[in-house]
Amino acid sequence: ETGVTQTPRHLVMGMTNKKSLKCEQHLGHNAMYWYKQSAKKPLELMFVYNFKEQTENNSVPSRFSPECPNSSHLFLHLHTLQPEDSALYLCASSQDGLGGSSPLHFGNGTRLTVT
Amino acid sequence: GQNIDQPTEMTATEGAIVQINCTYQTSGFNGLFWYQQHAGEAPTFLSYNVLDGLEEKGRFSSFLSRSKGYSYLLLKELQMKDSASYLCAVRDSNYQLIWGAGTKLIIKP
Repeated sequence: ETGVTQTPRHLVMGMTNKKSLKCEQHLGHNAMYWYKQSAKKPLELMFVYNFKEQTENNSVPSRFSPECPNSSHLFLHLHTLQPEDSALYLCASSQDGLGGSSPLHFGNGTRLTVT
Repeated sequence: GQNIDQPTEMTATEGAIVQINCTYQTSGFNGLFWYQQHAGEAPTFLSYNVLDGLEEKGRFSSFLSRSKGYSYLLLKELQMKDSASYLCAVRDSNYQLIWGAGTKLIIKP
């Protein structure tokens, strides 16, 4: 399998649930990212990992918790979410980190609905 | 603040040409990206401009003017499969990617 794979594709969860989103990249890239995409809004960067080290955390609420066990895998752990957290969550990777010119490669995203 | 402006939606006819504009106000500039995103799918990389001028890739071309803070994506010989959202993103002086909200392009037969 090639590219960036995200699971699950769709997730419905209640506000008291705990769930995790998974991302795997098969491109040998060094940087991985979590983005939030809401309708008609720009992509919002949530977290960046460069060589497994977190380098960015854009004031994301603590109910979102990232984990990067190695350079190929990235998780986003979710707990006590709010309805306004409903969105498409995109994982991406790039050959180099934010300082480079290499493009981002995105997964197909997880469509999250919080009820 | 930093800002990227793109039209929200555009409509064009199959076989025609369409130009999608992107203007930006950012703290510094280190390159501009265009991505295509079909509904329910991942954004995919189309082009990267860091110097002024036109970059051509088959039916798609991207233009940049740094002095005007302006770029456009030109799509020729439009096909129905080009119906998608087109995202403009600028890398600022801190190498942060600033994203536009995207332009939804609708192609009609």
